[in-house]
Amino acid sequence: ETGVTQTPRHLVMGMTNKKSLKCEQHLGHNAMYWYKQSAKKPLELMFVYNFKEQTENNSVPSRFSPECPNSSHLFLHLHTLQPEDSALYLCASSQDRGGGSANTGELFFGEGSRLTVL
Amino acid sequence: QQQVKQSPQSLIVQKGGISIINCAYENTAFDYFPWYQQFPGKGPALLIAIRPDVSEKKEGRFTISFNKSAKQFSLHIMDSQPGDSATYFCAAISPGSARQLTFGSGTQLTVLP
Repeated sequence: ETGVTQTPRHLVMGMTNKKSLKCEQHLGHNAMYWYKQSAKKPLELMFVYNFKEQTENNSVPSRFSPECPNSSHLFLHLHTLQPEDSALYLCASSQDRGGGSANTGELFFGEGSRLTVL
Repeated sequence: QQQVKQSPQSLIVQKGGISIINCAYENTAFDYFPWYQQFPGKGPALLIAIRPDVSEKKEGRFTISFNKSAKQFSLHIMDSQPGDSATYFCAAISPGSARQLTFGSGTQLTVLP
């Protein structure tokens, strides 16, 4: 396994369901991210974790709940979602959030989880 | 000041032609400028990147041109192929203790056979 792996790749859920998205990275990185990508919209940063600590929450509704048990795994727990939450959810990782010259800050993305809320 | 403005929103090019995507930024502190390529149903993948102390970087058919004084950079795809059809995002990364990546809005490129 290499890179960033996301499961499931596709998810259909009702508005009252509870589900989780999983992300695992095998790059030895210490920062992990959740992005939302909707049709014809820019990538939206949702959450950032650095060394397992949440460092950013970009005003994301509480029906999205992230969890980062260690630097290699990231979850996004979903409950009572709305149809407008249907989107591609992308996980990414980077070396860390530090500013050292060797750290370019590049992100490495998974293939995404396509979520449809009925 | 953290915005990165990208144009055009969509681009159609004939096979063999040159595709050009432009980006502009305001924050002069940005110190790294990657381009990402995203195929339908896939996540964005790093394509090529440049630091602001370099005016041009070429990798195969892909070239980044960087104009620091104008705060603009562009991606050129030479001899465009149908397989290059994808969405391209420029980005800029700020330095400091919490490096932050700011994406452009994306350009959907279609290369006609």
